[in-house]
Amino acid sequence: DIQMTQSPSSVSASVGDSVTITCRASQDISTWLAWYQQKPGKAPKLLIYAASSLQSGVPPRFGGSGSGTDFTLTISSLQPEDFATYYCQQAHTFPLTFGPGTKVDIK
Amino acid sequence: QVQLQESGPGLVKPSETLSLTCTFSGGSISTSYWSWIRQPPGKGLEWVGYIYYRGSANYNPSLKSRVTISIDTSKNQFFLKLTSVTAADTAVFYCASVTSNYFQYWGQGMLVTVSS
Repeated sequence: DIQMTQSPSSVSASVGDSVTITCRASQDISTWLAWYQQKPGKAPKLLIYAASSLQSGVPPRFGGSGSGTDFTLTISSLQPEDFATYYCQQAHTFPLTFGPGTKVDIK
Repeated sequence: QVQLQESGPGLVKPSETLSLTCTFSGGSISTSYWSWIRQPPGKGLEWVGYIYYRGSANYNPSLKSRVTISIDTSKNQFFLKLTSVTAADTAVFYCASVTSNYFQYWGQGMLVTVSS
């Protein structure tokens, strides 16, 4: 299986801050990577697919980059509704696997 | 408006079979792949498996011997069966639509507790 790791596991930030989350795959997945946002008690929401493509309706303050094994999600100018847990997911090889999540909370 | 809704028993006894239904509305299920994902309380996400509308399925090897996903296109529903459950199978189960192996639309999730 392809193992996905994320760092940091949690980050505290203020409204207006820029936050960067890193995801690493245990082998080359090209750009077959997605990012999801999950709020407590809710289903995950697809933010980014194909490493850098913004899902329809997602604000442009969310940005994704990377290829191969290293990827980043950047949230510029953090808004109150952005405090949540973020997961990466590789879509390259079965079984499809997720990272352990990064919690973004309020400083 | 695309919607998915999980339904089924919220409590299952150990060694029994967990059975869930996902009902899709706002389109036709006969167009894509459909998946189940689970999340133990306070933990991360695990892909369970998916099914193509024509009936072919792909499962997570960690569960493969116990899981079956099926589909009924006439009812716009797909189904999950997980046999011989233990407490470790307690989780929120989500159904989702799949596009290029990404999970685009999700149901709200359903907590299934395994307990006697």
